[in-house]
Amino acid sequence: NAGVMQNPRHLVRRRGQEARLRCSPMKGHSHVYWYRQLPEEGLKFMVYLQKENIIDESGMPKERFSAEFPKEGPSILRIQQVVRGDSAAYFCASSPPTSGRTNPEQYFGPGTRLTVT
Amino acid sequence: QQQVKQSPQSLIVQKGGIPIINCAYENTAFDYFPWYQQFPGKGPALLIAIRPDVSEKKEGRFTISFNKSAKQFSLHIMDSQPGDSATYFCAARNNAGNMLTFGGGTRLMVKP
Repeated sequence: NAGVMQNPRHLVRRRGQEARLRCSPMKGHSHVYWYRQLPEEGLKFMVYLQKENIIDESGMPKERFSAEFPKEGPSILRIQQVVRGDSAAYFCASSPPTSGRTNPEQYFGPGTRLTVT
Repeated sequence: QQQVKQSPQSLIVQKGGIPIINCAYENTAFDYFPWYQQFPGKGPALLIAIRPDVSEKKEGRFTISFNKSAKQFSLHIMDSQPGDSATYFCAARNNAGNMLTFGGGTRLMVKP
């Protein structure tokens, strides 16, 4: 059973370009979460999605950032017009449906390291 | 109120020692407290987790102690090994949602 997959693992963008980060959840998982980790810091929650729905985007910056989890295919975190401050590691996590259990564990992918030059 | 404070930021112990990492929280709605281990260039991996209805949980060499009244919890690593050298994050989750709130991390080095 493959774990959470993220690609690319490393992404370099110039200021003003767009960054697209992809996340494929574990098999059977329908919940996806995106977190951002700045150097030497803990992870900060960005957004929580289920298939075709954004459940909680309270951690997303109001501008330039968007996320989706379509019916088919991976979840995408999109950053438009990137700035140097967007340089960070972006982690995706997935969890199975709750189905009676509250708050199932989240399993993290290896991350995408975004560098904005 | 969503913060989780973690200490120390870094820790060095000798092989066989028992590093202890502490976390404190304010939000009484938190009801699930996992610890994650992260190696350089990798994603966080779930190590052990506890709910506030128990005061201690052991899994192998890893033990969580939980003090609900003080709103504190800690990770102990028994008989630490150089392979345990990593960054450890505590986290907490609100019973009303699914997002994890992470502490700032502790970089542990276990010397041979």
